[in-house]
Amino acid sequence: EIVLTQSPGTLSLSPGERATLSCTASQSVLTSHLAWYQQKPGQAPRLLIFGTSYRAPGISDRFSGSGSGTDFTLTISRLEPEDFAFYYCQQYDNSYTFGQGTKLEIK
Amino acid sequence: EVQLVESGGGLVKPGGSLRLSCAASGFTLSSYTINWVRQAPGKGLEWVSSMRVRSGDGDYADSVKGRFTISRDNAKNSLYLQMDSLRAEDTAVYYCAREGVYFYINCAGGVCYGLDSWGPGTLVTVSS
Repeated sequence: EIVLTQSPGTLSLSPGERATLSCTASQSVLTSHLAWYQQKPGQAPRLLIFGTSYRAPGISDRFSGSGSGTDFTLTISRLEPEDFAFYYCQQYDNSYTFGQGTKLEIK
Repeated sequence: EVQLVESGGGLVKPGGSLRLSCAASGFTLSSYTINWVRQAPGKGLEWVSSMRVRSGDGDYADSVKGRFTISRDNAKNSLYLQMDSLRAEDTAVYYCAREGVYFYINCAGGVCYGLDSWGPGTLVTVSS
């Protein structure tokens, strides 16, 4: 089973700043099979990025994804108040696995 | 509008059973791979089971294999998760989520995947 490790666990930033979230896989992941989700308290997760770098429909262009092999990154430029939430990376091999999440909080 | 709605959660004693339902609207459920994903209180996301679109077979996480069974009723456009021999560690919000398929030339085989629609979830509590 592929294990995904996200860092940092908590990221404290101010609105307007740039956020960089990392996701490291225990073995190589196809870029087609790497996605990112946002989750706010009491809500279901929402797909942000699929295929490592493609934004899901309706997602702001402030969100971008990159990476390959075992190292992947979600970048949020110019943080807005509504961006402060939990973020999870996810991969699909023979089954889905999720990273443990990064909490993006207001500094 | 694509919509998924879970139901059937509740309080059950260890060793008991529960059947969750996921009702789909706005699309044909049997045309997509549908997943169950759970989230224990204050914890992250854990994939539980999938109903594959092509085979109609179920895949399961090791933590639930042999105890949970996924099934589908095409006439009702609904997915189910039969949960037996429940344990305290099964306590979680259970979400059903649709696997979206995206056709992009740079994707492996021209196809990328992501869980693009989620229900609001249903809470399962296993406690004596």
